[in-house]
Amino acid sequence: EPEVTQTPSHQVTQMGQEVILRCVPISNHLYFYWYRQILGQKVEFLVSFYNNEISEKSEIFDDQFSVERPDGSNFTLKIRSTKLEDSAMYFCASRSGGGDTQYFGPGTRLTVL
Amino acid sequence: AQTVTQSQPEMSVQEAETVTLSCTYDTSESNYYLFWYKQPPSRQMILVIRQEAYKQQNATENRFSVNFQKAAKSFSLKISDSQLGDTAMYFCAFMSRMNNFNKFYFGSGTKLNVKP
Repeated sequence: EPEVTQTPSHQVTQMGQEVILRCVPISNHLYFYWYRQILGQKVEFLVSFYNNEISEKSEIFDDQFSVERPDGSNFTLKIRSTKLEDSAMYFCASRSGGGDTQYFGPGTRLTVL
Repeated sequence: AQTVTQSQPEMSVQEAETVTLSCTYDTSESNYYLFWYKQPPSRQMILVIRQEAYKQQNATENRFSVNFQKAAKSFSLKISDSQLGDTAMYFCAFMSRMNNFNKFYFGSGTKLNVKP
């Protein structure tokens, strides 16, 4: 069964550094999402992406964040200058054009020191 | 804005027994989907069950079933014959059909412990 994959599983970085979190969505899916979950809190929507552009973003998704689908298979989330409060689990999800269920990847745990 | 509330932060159940997890939501929309996702200690989000708001029949998936009360905006999850592998965090999620982009709104989760 196809699944969403994410790398790395755990990323440790210093405050102020740039990080790129990578996701490979399910191959025939058209809609892509990033969510984040701060430890012990609910999962929060960050951004949705369709047809090579952002379709919706939350107030969390400020100018420090960007997303890209560079090569038709990967879907990346970049944080330009990480802050301590960016420490969280980041989930990628994808959805087919005709479907309503989002399929989640295993997550990347980002730790900012 | 949509909100999803899970009022039970933590629950316990004996193996083989039945447990019900509660979820309520607030929306002015009539066309939407509701989901339950399971998050085991590995922290991967795994779909458990989904319900389309326009369907009156409650969804079932093997040991998992829902009680969907649209007027009351309630969407509870019943787990029958609980197994040790059901131990996880369970999140209720709402998805609007107002546009194609369909972001999810999640509740705060219920931690379920299945005891041997």
